[in-house]
Amino acid sequence: GENVEQHPSTLSVQEGDSAVIKCTYSDSASNYFPWYKQELGKRPQLIIDIRSNVGEKKDQRIAVTLNKTAKHFSLHITETQPEDSAVYFCAASRNFGNEKLTFGTGTRLTIIP
Amino acid sequence: DAGITQSPRYKITETGRQVTLMCHQTWSHSYMFWYRQDLGHGLRLIYYSAAADITDKGEVPDGYVVSRSKTENFPLTLESATRSQTSVYFCASSESGLGGLNEQFFGPGTRLTVL
Repeated sequence: GENVEQHPSTLSVQEGDSAVIKCTYSDSASNYFPWYKQELGKRPQLIIDIRSNVGEKKDQRIAVTLNKTAKHFSLHITETQPEDSAVYFCAASRNFGNEKLTFGTGTRLTIIP
Repeated sequence: DAGITQSPRYKITETGRQVTLMCHQTWSHSYMFWYRQDLGHGLRLIYYSAAADITDKGEVPDGYVVSRSKTENFPLTLESATRSQTSVYFCASSESGLGGLNEQFFGPGTRLTVL
């Protein structure tokens, strides 16, 4: 089955700096890669996703890049703000997400004011 | 989101007892999922369902039973609870079909403690 590895497990950055979280996957048939954000005590929520036919996707301060050859994808957050502090999970799925997701183990991002 | 709810939100039980966690969604989503969240392990899939009366095992199904007689409900039962099943349990749902929305919507979670 699919295996998703996520690094780093914790990340602290100064407010206004950029943060990068990286994930690798093992199943070459995976073609859908979402990122979920979970604030303390809350439920995970989708913040951005990318399909395998796209190399990069942006939404305001967040972007995701995908390298299918190397089987890795990354989340980039620019101009970080205190409200970006949360746990971020990457995930991978076949069938463009219409099947089960395999999640990474999460990255706890702390923004230092 | 008010569209997917879980009950109870908190539960304390004892080893060996049967426990059922409820999940209800109002969107008529085809897919429903159960995850457990433990520190250092992220979100691990227990069981999922593609439609009513169709269920399949996920990554960590041992000790759990599910059923889905109605599209909107997906209960998770721990037949004989063990301490290793102490965790936060999340239910989620999503639409199906290529080109359809892929986002999984999570419920608020149930914090289960097994003594």
